[in-house]
Amino acid sequence: NAGVTQTPKFQVLKTGQSMTLQCAQDMNHNSMYWYRQDPGMGLRLIYYSASEGTTDKGEVPNGYNVSRLNKREFSLRLESAAPSQTSVYFCASSEVGRPFREKLFFGSGTQLSVL
Amino acid sequence: KQEVTQIPAALSVPEGENLVLNCSFTDSAIYNLQWFRQDPGKGLTSLLLIQSSQREQTSGRLNASLDKSSGRSTLYIAASQPGDSATYLCAVKYSSASKIIFGSGTRLSIRP
Repeated sequence: NAGVTQTPKFQVLKTGQSMTLQCAQDMNHNSMYWYRQDPGMGLRLIYYSASEGTTDKGEVPNGYNVSRLNKREFSLRLESAAPSQTSVYFCASSEVGRPFREKLFFGSGTQLSVL
Repeated sequence: KQEVTQIPAALSVPEGENLVLNCSFTDSAIYNLQWFRQDPGKGLTSLLLIQSSQREQTSGRLNASLDKSSGRSTLYIAASQPGDSATYLCAVKYSSASKIIFGSGTRLSIRP
């Protein structure tokens, strides 16, 4: 049981390049999330998907797009990378609907540097 | 504005001590609260989840309490070990449809 799997683990981009971060979960969770973590800023929500076929903006969506490909997969795309997007990105998933079952499960993260 | 605050930002204690980590939130009407552990360069691991209707949850040497009226949760770690060294974050969900709000974490160091 792999949990939440993110790829790649590390990436270096030049300003203006594009890339897609992949995320997949095998726990049959409805909700999936993309966060970024920056020193001194904590974890901030970029986008989330409450269920297959739906996506919503979080706190810091500018410069990003997402796709909920199916129940398992939720990808994050940077269309034109900027140095301000240098960060560690985490994907997470959870059940919803019952407060005692809504533990968040995180992937191991993607360290992205934009030069 | 709904916020989650963790003070102190860093804490260093000798091995074997019992310790308490604090988490404060601004709105008492919460849905659930989670405590996470994050090791350097790793993702977050959920330690304990407390529903709004609960007062505490326990897992091994960890005990998390919830006091909605005062807007506080504490994570109690008994008989601390060097392996407990990590950053501990709390996160609050205010309703079933709301986003999860994270505190900035407490970096814990246990000295052998």
